Formats: sequence, structure tokens, C-alpha cells
Amino acid sequence: QVQLQESGPGLVKPSETLSLTCTVSGGSISSYYWGWIRQPPGKGLEWIGYIYYSGSTNYNPSLKSRVTISVDSSKNQFSLKLSSVTAADTAVYYCARGLGVRGLGVTTFDYWGQGTLVTVSS
Amino acid sequence: QSALTQPASVSGSPGQSITISCTGTSSDVGGYNYVSWYQQHPGKAPKLMIYDVSNRPSGVSNRFSGSKSGNTASLTISGLQAEDESDYYCTSYTSSSTLAVFGGGTKLTVL
Repeated sequence: QVQLQESGPGLVKPSETLSLTCTVSGGSISSYYWGWIRQPPGKGLEWIGYIYYSGSTNYNPSLKSRVTISVDSSKNQFSLKLSSVTAADTAVYYCARGLGVRGLGVTTFDYWGQGTLVTVSS
Repeated sequence: QSALTQPASVSGSPGQSITISCTGTSSDVGGYNYVSWYQQHPGKAPKLMIYDVSNRPSGVSNRFSGSKSGNTASLTISGLQAEDESDYYCTSYTSSSTLAVFGGGTKLTVL
């Protein structure tokens, strides 16, 4: 059974960089897409972006200038960095495994981490 | 405002069937058979219930089914149970530059 676990600071100051890591267990990070989705308190879900195990990425255009997703296959981990954060970036951040179609990218996320709340505040 | 339109709430009594709609455009729901539905209980991660419009992952009850007609996808839950009370989100692949689109979510209340 594939399991994902997010880790990282729960509090980030405005203008700084949010950094989260997702550790994958119970399966290899190879041959799949890996993504980040967030959910502001009391609101709906928002795709942040995803990375293929080979390293190719795709980001939400509304966040693209601030987002970097990377993968470390040797550790079975992938990471999210979101720069210049503001209070609007306060949310529960989920990592997830993506299923996809060659040429299109991710079409669904089948396994999710439990989520981690990141608050942006001074 | 979400790209996909879902009703804010639906309700039903135990044993009944309910349907949640998810309306998009020909660039997303209508153009691709890549609609997924997620169930999210309070404080929990979303759980995949339906993918590729009508496929159920292993372990998901066959009381959950999905379909699509034109630009509208639907999730039907039959034999409603108390444990089905939750938020439900649809999402679709899109040919636009937004990567993918989510619905705003529907709160299901089991009366």
C-alpha cells in the first residue's frame, strides 16, 4: 500500500519561502507523477503542480512564477518550494501520486498524504 | 469562482439515491474522459472515488458511480448511508493552461 507523508515547517513568515517534502513509502517513485494540491481553510482544492519521476514539471500558471517542484528518487521523496509567500498562501498542503496519460500529463491523483497546515504569519 | 460548477449542497435520506452534478465546458469535462470525483471528510485528505468518468478504484463501494453527458459529469450514490455524509469534489483535465480544474465542492447531508 503506497503511503505519502508531508513534512516541513507549519509556520512561515511573509515574503519567505515555504518548503515541504513528501516521503513516499510502500512503492517506488519511478514511473508515476507526483503532485501538490492545497486547500485554504474552509475553501476548496487548488492544484499547485506536479512532477514526473524523470523530472519534467507542470505548474499552475497562477503560481508558476513562485513554485518549484523537485524529485529525489534516491530518497523516494519529492519537494515543494513556494517563494514570496503571503497570508493568501495559508492552507493545508497535500502531496499526492498522479496517474497520467503520455502527452497530456496527470489525469487523476489516486494516493494522498494526510496534509499539513502551513500558516503564513509574522 | 471555480472553473467547474457544482451545487453547494445536496441531501438525501438513508437508502435513497442522490446525484451530484459537475458542469464545465468543451475544453474540460466535455472534451475529455478524465473526470475524477473525490470524497473529503472534515479534517481528512481527499479520497479518490471515481476516475476517468466512471471507473472505481479498488476498494470503493459499487454504490458510487459516475457518468457524463456533454459538458456535465455526475456522481451518483445509491443506497445512501450515514458514512457518505461528506464533501465531494469533481476535477477534470483541461486543454487550457490552468493545468486542471476543480469544482467548488458539494456538501452531502444524510438526513
